[in-house]
Amino acid sequence: AQKVTQAQTEISVVEKEDVTLDCVYETRDTTYYLFWYKQPPSGELVFLIRRNSFDEQNEISGRYSWNFQKSTSSFNFTITASQVVDSAVYFCALSEALNYGQNFVFGPGTRLSVLP
Amino acid sequence: EADIYQTPRYLVIGTGKKITLECSQTMGHDKMYWYQQDPGMELHLIHYSYGVNSTEKGDLSSESTVSRIRTEHFPLTLESARPSHTSQYLCASRTLRGTEAFFGQGTRLTVV
Repeated sequence: AQKVTQAQTEISVVEKEDVTLDCVYETRDTTYYLFWYKQPPSGELVFLIRRNSFDEQNEISGRYSWNFQKSTSSFNFTITASQVVDSAVYFCALSEALNYGQNFVFGPGTRLSVLP
Repeated sequence: EADIYQTPRYLVIGTGKKITLECSQTMGHDKMYWYQQDPGMELHLIHYSYGVNSTEKGDLSSESTVSRIRTEHFPLTLESARPSHTSQYLCASRTLRGTEAFFGQGTRLTVV
């Protein structure tokens, strides 16, 4: 069975601090995708990144970076020099890559509050 | 930018009323989803579709129904709204090949 765990329910940081959001996943599949989504107070889910199971290269996009480690089944997300606009709920998700029948498995989310 | 739209954004309705939440996408995606979510909480899959004339129930039991007569349109209907249906409903779509899903802005439903 597939499962995504985000152990941090809520995190508060002061602006300009770095923060890492943890994501641990379980799957029996050898081919799968991992995702991060951001949900700001307005409610929509904004896609941030997709990573497939064969690509363990870490990725950096501006202040955002992602660390994918297959050995520990983790896909952690770091925000460098956090800003108030980063305040949101962040969801990690898992999906099989090829099976039409499978859907996303979302983690429970981590609420990040960045204080001025 | 994703081209998936939900209407209405906000809806307050009385108990017992029938409502339809609209979801449309212009990306030609085959797979579409409906999620129910209390604000900032877990997402619960209530319905999904592989394509036209395909509908399946999700992980969370729901009294709502869906239809998929056209690829771009995936409406959700509640025949008789109840206060327990008060929630946010999010629609999403993706291609069949396992890429990311794109979400609409959501409908915040309040049943009084």
